[in-house]
Amino acid sequence: DAKTTQPPSMDCAEGRAANLPCNHSTISGNEYVYWYRQIHSQGPQYIIHGLKNNETNEMASLIITEDRKSSTLILPHATLRDTAVYYCIVRAPGTSYNQGGKLIFGQGTELSVKP
Amino acid sequence: DTGVSQNPRHKITKRGQNVTFRCDPISEHNRLYWYRQTLGQGPEFLTYFQNEAQLEKSRLLSDRFSAERPKGSFSTLEIQRTEQGDSAMYLCASSLTDVYYGYTFGSGTRLTVV
Repeated sequence: DAKTTQPPSMDCAEGRAANLPCNHSTISGNEYVYWYRQIHSQGPQYIIHGLKNNETNEMASLIITEDRKSSTLILPHATLRDTAVYYCIVRAPGTSYNQGGKLIFGQGTELSVKP
Repeated sequence: DTGVSQNPRHKITKRGQNVTFRCDPISEHNRLYWYRQTLGQGPEFLTYFQNEAQLEKSRLLSDRFSAERPKGSFSTLEIQRTEQGDSAMYLCASSLTDVYYGYTFGSGTRLTVV
């Protein structure tokens, strides 16, 4: 699976958009970009994923560059409860019996939302 | 269904003792994963099951670690002869075979070896 590079930490003002970047320059054609976040003392939480098109759900938007070498997770109106470590992961889906599709986590970006 | 359940939430044990953790996945999920997380690090993959079959084990899973998933439902992770280096959060996650929609993680079991 391709590796990702994320800034170790970022700050964001409450109510503003939080834009979290991720570089994945060695991504393969069948690898998806996944984002998870982990709030202190909890297990990671799935946020969103995409292949090459921009995606949006109730939690966030995912913008993937045309060459797929980088992406940005956007939290449109950050709240204090969005303070967490955000992980960007790229991998191929594990759909066959012996493909685990396991997630390999890096260090992530620690996002601090401040009042 | 309330999600992935892990028990206990916290465990303190003396070095050399055996401990066992339990994970109850989302009922329709046939894949189950175990991860370990130490302070300041991202979760590290340990092993995963498809139904009752253990299909992959990380080299992090030493001989003192064993995981089972009888009948393809709940899973247990046992650590024998615990060491201080085993102190960590142990996370369980489950998913459908088609993992396009991501995993669901439990809240973890925090192990402290004294």
